[in-house]
Amino acid sequence: DIQLTQSPSFLSASVGDRVIITCRASQGFSNYLAWYQQKAGKPPKLLIYAASVLQSGVPSRFSGSGSGTEFALTISSLQPEDFATYYCQQLYTSPTTFGQGTKVEIK
Amino acid sequence: QEQLVESGGGLVRPGGSLKLSCAASGFTFSDFYMSWLRQAPGKGLEWLAYISARDDIISYADSVKGRFTISRDNDENSLYLQMGSLRVEDTAVYYCARDLGERSLTYYFDSWGQGTLVTVSS
Repeated sequence: DIQLTQSPSFLSASVGDRVIITCRASQGFSNYLAWYQQKAGKPPKLLIYAASVLQSGVPSRFSGSGSGTEFALTISSLQPEDFATYYCQQLYTSPTTFGQGTKVEIK
Repeated sequence: QEQLVESGGGLVRPGGSLKLSCAASGFTFSDFYMSWLRQAPGKGLEWLAYISARDDIISYADSVKGRFTISRDNDENSLYLQMGSLRVEDTAVYYCARDLGERSLTYYFDSWGQGTLVTVSS
């Protein structure tokens, strides 16, 4: 199975900050990667798929990039509703697997 | 607006069985692959199984293969997960999720239920 390692695991930031979360894969692949946002007590929400495609309805401050073994989720200007845990997911090999999560909290 | 609603969770003894249901509405259920995923308390996400739109292709994660069975009833717009030989480590919130692709498998999950908690404990 492909292992995904997200960094940092915890991030403290302020409203308006630019935030970058990285996801490193144990083996390389092209764009078979997604990003999800999960708020406490809620199910995950798909933000980005195919590494850089914004899911319908997701604000444009979210963007995804990368290929090979390193991918990134960028929030250009953090908003109060963005404080949550973010997960990356790889679909290059079966079974699909998720990173351990990055919790974004208010500074 | 698509909606998925899970039910059937609860407390079960190790070695016991439980059947989860997921009622779908707001979209053409029979056009989409569906999956079950779970999240142990305070932990990350784990994909468990998927079933094709026409119920002819099924796949399981190794962690549940031989113990869990995924099924669907397109006439009832419902997805199921029959769980057996349950272990303490199966304790988690179980989610049903719709695949992003219509009539094709993408493994991107664009719609999720609220989840149902399964607790395996003696």
